[in-house]
Amino acid sequence: GENVEQHPSTLSVQEGDSAVIKCTYSDSASNYFPWYKQELGKGPQLIIDIRSNVGEKKDQRIAVTLNKTAKHFSLHITETQPEDSAVYFCAASWGVEKLTFGTGTRLTIIP
Amino acid sequence: DTGVSQNPRHKITKRGQNVTFRCDPISEHNRLYWYRQTLGQGPEFLTYFQNEAQLEKSRLLSDRFSAERPKGSFSTLEIQRTEQGDSAMYLCASSSGGAGFFGPGTRLTVL
Repeated sequence: GENVEQHPSTLSVQEGDSAVIKCTYSDSASNYFPWYKQELGKGPQLIIDIRSNVGEKKDQRIAVTLNKTAKHFSLHITETQPEDSAVYFCAASWGVEKLTFGTGTRLTIIP
Repeated sequence: DTGVSQNPRHKITKRGQNVTFRCDPISEHNRLYWYRQTLGQGPEFLTYFQNEAQLEKSRLLSDRFSAERPKGSFSTLEIQRTEQGDSAMYLCASSSGGAGFFGPGTRLTVL
């Protein structure tokens, strides 16, 4: 089955700086890669996703890049704000069912 | 609120007891998913419905677990003879074919 590794497990950045979270996946058949943000006591919230036929996708301060050859994908958050503090999860799947999640990155924005 | 709702939000039970959780998906979403999340980990896939049909079950879903989605609307997840290892957050998500929208989860504590 699919295996997703996520790094780093914790990340602290100064407000206004950029944050990068990286994931690798094992199953070359995976073609869907969403990123979720989870705040304390809440369920994961989809923030951006990318499919394997696209190399990069951007939505305001958030961008995701995908390297299919290396089986890597990354989340980039620019101009970080205190409300970006949360746990972020990457995931991978073939289709959109049965997501395999990474172990999460706790992002802390330092004011 | 038109998001995914889950009830109860918290459940404390004694080992050996049966528990049932309910998930109400976003209206008209034909796909419904159950995931389990333990502390410090990403969600793990349990099972998935398309309309009322249960299409896939994870090996994590032992014989003590059963899920239903009568009439393709709400879903229930029942755990029989609970064990301390069942303590986790049980998350429900729904979609109409794209990425899943997660509910707030039901936190189960087995004493």
